[in-house]
Formats: sequence, structure tokens, C-alpha cells
Amino acid sequence: GPKVLQIPSHQIIDMGQMVTLNCDPVSNHLYFYWYKQILGQQMEFLVNFYNGKVMEKSKLFKDQFSVERPDGSYFTLKIQPTALEDSAVYFCASSLDSNQAPLFGEGTRLSVL
Amino acid sequence: GQQVQQSPSSLVLQEGENAELQCNFSSTATQLQWFYQSPGGSLVSLLSNPSGTKHTGRLTSTTVTKERRSSLHISSSQTTDSGTYLCAIDPNNNNAPRFGAGTKLTVKP
Repeated sequence: GPKVLQIPSHQIIDMGQMVTLNCDPVSNHLYFYWYKQILGQQMEFLVNFYNGKVMEKSKLFKDQFSVERPDGSYFTLKIQPTALEDSAVYFCASSLDSNQAPLFGEGTRLSVL
Repeated sequence: GQQVQQSPSSLVLQEGENAELQCNFSSTATQLQWFYQSPGGSLVSLLSNPSGTKHTGRLTSTTVTKERRSSLHISSSQTTDSGTYLCAIDPNNNNAPRFGAGTKLTVKP
């Protein structure tokens, strides 16, 4: 079936550096999401994105975060600069419409050293 | 405060027993979804059930919207059902699902 792909599965970066997390959503999906999950903790909503714009973002979506989907390609989450507390698994998801449950990727584990 | 509260936080069963998981939410929402998160971390949608009762396989979900609660019943549990069950609602009706903390289910052989 269709899949949301997140590559790589693990990224290691030094604090203060910039990181871009890539997500390859299902090709005909229109809604895109990022979630953050610290190990052993709750899945937290960060942001959703539709028609080239952020629809809603949570308090966790700091000023250092940004999202984009240039030319219908990867949906990216950029963190600049990174902080130690950004270490977590970041899940990307996409859905065809607003009534469909999001389809999740396997996540990218970000380790900020 | 917490928009989605799930209980119990953990549950241990013997294979073949039934499980009843609860989700209470603090705002009316047009979407309510149940997800399964495997021990490895991947997330799978189980059911979308904003109101009424829905069945799929061994899963039954009942949502009473006006009482802001939903349940997930797992019949004849199997060891492969072990994992975390998450309830999610869209509190602002803006297609931005928020998750509860989950119920960690362990099914022993």
C-alpha cells in the first residue's frame, strides 16, 4: 500500500547546527503533518500544512522551526539552530483529505549532541 | 490542560482475554481516531469513529460524542496485540489531531 517515507531513520547533529528532516508523503495526499515524540513520552503535534501554508502549529513549534514543501517534492522540517531538547523522534504524516486519518512514516530519530 | 485522557495507562492480559480501553476528551471534535503504536515506534490507524459504534476484525469502538468519551474493545487478545493504543482528536476542527498519552497493552502467552 501507499507509504510515507522518512529517510534517514537516524540523524546525529551538534547543538547549534541546522538540520532538515525529510519526508516523502503519499503522492496524491494534500495534508501534511509533523509530530514529535521524546523517548517514552507522548506523541506531540507540531504543525500541519495544506495548500502551501501552515494551518495550525502548536506551542512546541518554536521560532527555530520551519516547514515547506517546495514544488510538491519532499515535505521538510528545518530546525535552525538545534538545541539539546530537540532530541526526539520526529514523525511525518500525510492524508488525502480532512476526514482521513493521517498515514504515518516510521519516524526519524534526531540526536542533538 | 490535557485535551485527551486515556485509561488505564497500562494493562496486562493473558492471551485470549478481552481488553477495554477508554478515551475521554475535553472538547467536542468532529474527528476521533484510534491508533496503534508498535514497540518499535511505528504508528498505524485502527479506526476513525467520531460517533456511534464501529467494528473492524476483533476491534470495536464506541464513541458517545455528547459525553466526550470513546472506548476501544479488543476481543480475544493475542500476543501480537501488545503495544500502545493511542486516541486522537482534532480539538480545533483544523485537521490537527492531538494524541493522548496512550494505553500500553501487554498480552502474555
